[in-house]
Amino acid sequence: QSALTQPASVSGSPGQSITISCTGTSSDVGGYNYVSWHQQHPGKAPKVTIYGVSNRPSGVSNRFSGSKSGNTASLTISGLQAEDEAYYYCSSYTSTTTYIIFGGGTKLTVL
Amino acid sequence: QVQLQESGPGLVKPSQTLSLTCTVSGGSISTSDYYWSWIRQHPGKGLEWIGYIYYSGSTYYNPSLESRVTMSEDTSKNQFSLKLSSVIAADAAIYYCARVRGGGTEIDSWGQGTLVTVSS
Repeated sequence: QSALTQPASVSGSPGQSITISCTGTSSDVGGYNYVSWHQQHPGKAPKVTIYGVSNRPSGVSNRFSGSKSGNTASLTISGLQAEDEAYYYCSSYTSTTTYIIFGGGTKLTVL
Repeated sequence: QVQLQESGPGLVKPSQTLSLTCTVSGGSISTSDYYWSWIRQHPGKGLEWIGYIYYSGSTYYNPSLESRVTMSEDTSKNQFSLKLSSVIAADAAIYYCARVRGGGTEIDSWGQGTLVTVSS
C-alpha cells in the first residue's frame, strides 16, 4: 500500500480536461509545498511534470497544472492529447522517516 | 541540463550483492544544492524510494531496506553508487538514479533506469 493515495485510473476524450488527485497527510502533502508529479510512458523513465505543487519545468506544456488543498494535491491536464496517455505518480516530501514518498500511480487513458 | 545514467550488471544471483553506478553529466555531484538518490520500480508496480547521498557523504536510507543498503560517491568520476546486499527475488526491479533538490525535498531529474533481474 502506497503512502499517498491516487485513483488507479482516469480517462478522458481528446480535448477534455481531467484531474488526478493525490491524498496524503499533514506530515507530507498538507504540510509542505514539495509535491511533484511524474509522467511515465510505458517502458520509459519517469519525467517530472510538476514540482513545488504547481510549477512546470521548462519544456512541459502549459496544459499541465498542479494545485493543493489541505492534504490533497491535484494534477489537471487540459486539452487532452493522445500523447498524454501514461501513468502519473505524485510524490511528496515527508517529515517522517522516508523523506520522499510516492503515490501508487494513476493510469490515464485517452479515449 | 543534467543527465544521469545508471550502469551495472543486469543479472544478480540470490544472496549476492547488487551493485549499480550512476554517472552524472552536466553538473557536479559535489554541490550542496542537491541530494543524489536511488529509486526502484518493481515490474508493473509503483515507485519505491531507496535512499540518497549528500555531497558530504551523509546518507539517508529507506528504513525497510536500511540494513542491506550502502550508498557511496566518487567525486573524481562524478558518480554515485548503490549496493544492496543479500538480494532476493523481490529485489528484481528497474533501478533509477535521480537528482533531488536541496533538503531532500523533490526529484528534479531522473536517469533512464536499469533493469536488474535476480536469478541463479
